[in-house]
Amino acid sequence: GQQVMQIPQYQHVQEGEDFTTYCNSSTTLSNIQWYKQRPGGHPVFLIQLVKSGEVKKQKRLTFQFGEAKKNSSLHITATQTTDVGTYFCAGYNAGNNRKLIWGLGTSLAVNP
Amino acid sequence: GAGVSQSPRYKVAKRGQDVALRCDPISGHVSLFWYQQALGQGPEFLTYFQNEAQLDKSGLPSDRFFAERPEGSVSTLKIQRTQKEDSAVYLCASSYPSPGTQYFGPGTRLLVL
Repeated sequence: GQQVMQIPQYQHVQEGEDFTTYCNSSTTLSNIQWYKQRPGGHPVFLIQLVKSGEVKKQKRLTFQFGEAKKNSSLHITATQTTDVGTYFCAGYNAGNNRKLIWGLGTSLAVNP
Repeated sequence: GAGVSQSPRYKVAKRGQDVALRCDPISGHVSLFWYQQALGQGPEFLTYFQNEAQLDKSGLPSDRFFAERPEGSVSTLKIQRTQKEDSAVYLCASSYPSPGTQYFGPGTRLLVL
C-alpha cells in the first residue's frame, strides 16, 4: 500500500541551530499537509502545499513540495525551545481524497 | 463550537469490557475522521464519515470496532470486548470540505488492563 516515509525519526539540536525533516511518498500526492504535535497534545495543522515545487514560509518555518509531488520538507531556522514537538507530514493520494496518509513523524528536542 | 471536543479524555477499561468514545466536531464540518495513535507513532486512519455516511472504514482493525454518526454531527466510536492491544489515543478530526485542513480534538486516551 501507499507509504509516507519521514526522516529523521528523532533530532536533538541546540537552541539556535537549524532543523530539517524530510517526507517521501511512494506515490504521487495531490497535496501535502504538515502538522505539529506537542508532547501530550494533539496534531495541529501548520500548512498545506498543493502545487508542484511550491514553497511556503511561516516566520522561521519553510515548507517545500517537490516537483514530482512525492516529497516534501520542513526547515526551521534558528530553533527555539517552543519548537519542541513531533512534526508530521500527511498527504492525500492523488486518486483518493478521503484518507490522509501520515508519516511517522520527526520528534524534535531543543536544548536551551 | 470553538473546536473539536472528545469525551471522555481518559478511559481505563478491563479487558473484555465495551467502551464508547464520543466526538463532537466543529459545527458545520461535513467530514469526520477517527484515528488511532499508539505511543510514539503517527495517527493511523480508522474510518471517515461525510455527513452521516461512513464512506471508508478500511482502517478499522477488527469487527470489534464500530463507528457511527447517525445525524451527521456527533460521532461515536465503539470498541467491543476490548483487548490490551486496543490501548492507544483515539483522535477525532473534522474538516470542511475534504480534502482540507483537519482539526483535531484532544483525543481519548484508552488504557485496557
